[in-house]
Amino acid sequence: GESVGLHLPTLSVQEGDNSIINCAYSNSASDYFIWYKQESGKGPQFIIDIRSNMDKRQGQRVTVLLNKTVKHLSLQIAATQPGDSAVYFCAEFTPYGQNFVFGPGTRLSVLP
Amino acid sequence: GAGVSQSPSNKVTEKGKDVELRCDPISGHTALYWYRQSLGQGLEFLIYFQGNSAPDKSGLPSDRFSAERTGGSVSTLTIQRTQQEDSAVYLCASSLGLLNSPLHFGNGTRLTVT
Repeated sequence: GESVGLHLPTLSVQEGDNSIINCAYSNSASDYFIWYKQESGKGPQFIIDIRSNMDKRQGQRVTVLLNKTVKHLSLQIAATQPGDSAVYFCAEFTPYGQNFVFGPGTRLSVLP
Repeated sequence: GAGVSQSPSNKVTEKGKDVELRCDPISGHTALYWYRQSLGQGLEFLIYFQGNSAPDKSGLPSDRFSAERTGGSVSTLTIQRTQQEDSAVYLCASSLGLLNSPLHFGNGTRLTVT
């Protein structure tokens, strides 16, 4: 389940289960969203993106869902593996600012 | 192909010293961003360059921070008179600068101010 750690919320899942990571974004004018994965000592790595004219997009083992009504984004990871353990960030692109705003991140911990 | 390259990967400096952090973006990427990430925290936007336009400096936390991008490619982030609260990982990212282009990040420079 989810718990709030010292700095980041943490989601613990069993290996092989599906993971769902949630993100609330701030700006209703944001029109482009990205999920990033960050492993220890590395920069964020692109996973999947979605434009605001879509509500679902699928990749390899990952699905992103966008609910513009409630400004909510989620990342679903199928058959979670130990290599999926990392911190996951959502990012929204704000047209007026021309830059990406990142969420606080969620730490995914995959249990054997 | 080469990704975003940042140097140094680690930098330890004494309080009050100036530091320069370098970023080599992906070739052909016109947009370049600097973010700061404190331990266990999210990414804080610092500055954004797009082509030859004036940079968006709205995220720089104080006038001790400045950045340049020479020739539309390499960028240098300079922190003058470093303070202990400047300790963080400084991340650089680049993108094609087109609508809906994702950011590609380097592995960052870990700055420690003693």
